[in-house]
Amino acid sequence: GESVGLHLPTLSVQEGDNSIINCAYSNSASDYFIWYKQESGKGPQFIIDIRSNMDKRQGQRVTVLLNKTVKHLSLQIAATQPGDSAVYFCAEREDKIIFGKGTRLHILP
Amino acid sequence: DAGITQSPRYKITETGRQVTLMCHQTWSHSYMFWYRQDLGHGLRLIYYSAAADITDKGEVPDGYVVSRSKTENFPLTLESATRSQTSVYFCASTHRILAEAFFGQGTRLTVV
Repeated sequence: GESVGLHLPTLSVQEGDNSIINCAYSNSASDYFIWYKQESGKGPQFIIDIRSNMDKRQGQRVTVLLNKTVKHLSLQIAATQPGDSAVYFCAEREDKIIFGKGTRLHILP
Repeated sequence: DAGITQSPRYKITETGRQVTLMCHQTWSHSYMFWYRQDLGHGLRLIYYSAAADITDKGEVPDGYVVSRSKTENFPLTLESATRSQTSVYFCASTHRILAEAFFGQGTRLTVV
């Protein structure tokens, strides 16, 4: 069946370093993927998306990489800041949006 | 105010009672979704709707009922609340298939 999951539940990163959050998906027919950020007490917030006809997409300080061969998605955050501390979810979209379990990003001072 | 709003923000109800969570969006988005979020389970899809009068089950629909008579509203009803339905509920909307969804602030529901 469909599943979207994350490799690590918690990631601790030194402030100023780059963060890499990984995600595996199982539905090879998925053609649209989204990364969301969720801060404590708030709803998920869109970060960046990528379609299956792309390998890489860049935003402001964030990059999403898609490897369709191994069905792997990653989110890279450059120069991690305290405000990046949150839970990050990957999601795949067909007519519905299915989320992975989430990775908590913890920033070390 | 424009956007997507959920009400109430907090609700405490008793086991066996019916409770309805409201979701309203002002964008005329076609798609709307209901998720529940529990510790260790991330966001799980309860029901979704592709348009008015069209709804479909998600991953965990049992015990919930939805309706969508108007594009902007997507209420979620727990017909007979159980303690296992204690959770944070999020509503979301999106205007087309290949587009990100926008989420409400969530409703924290406690069933005692």
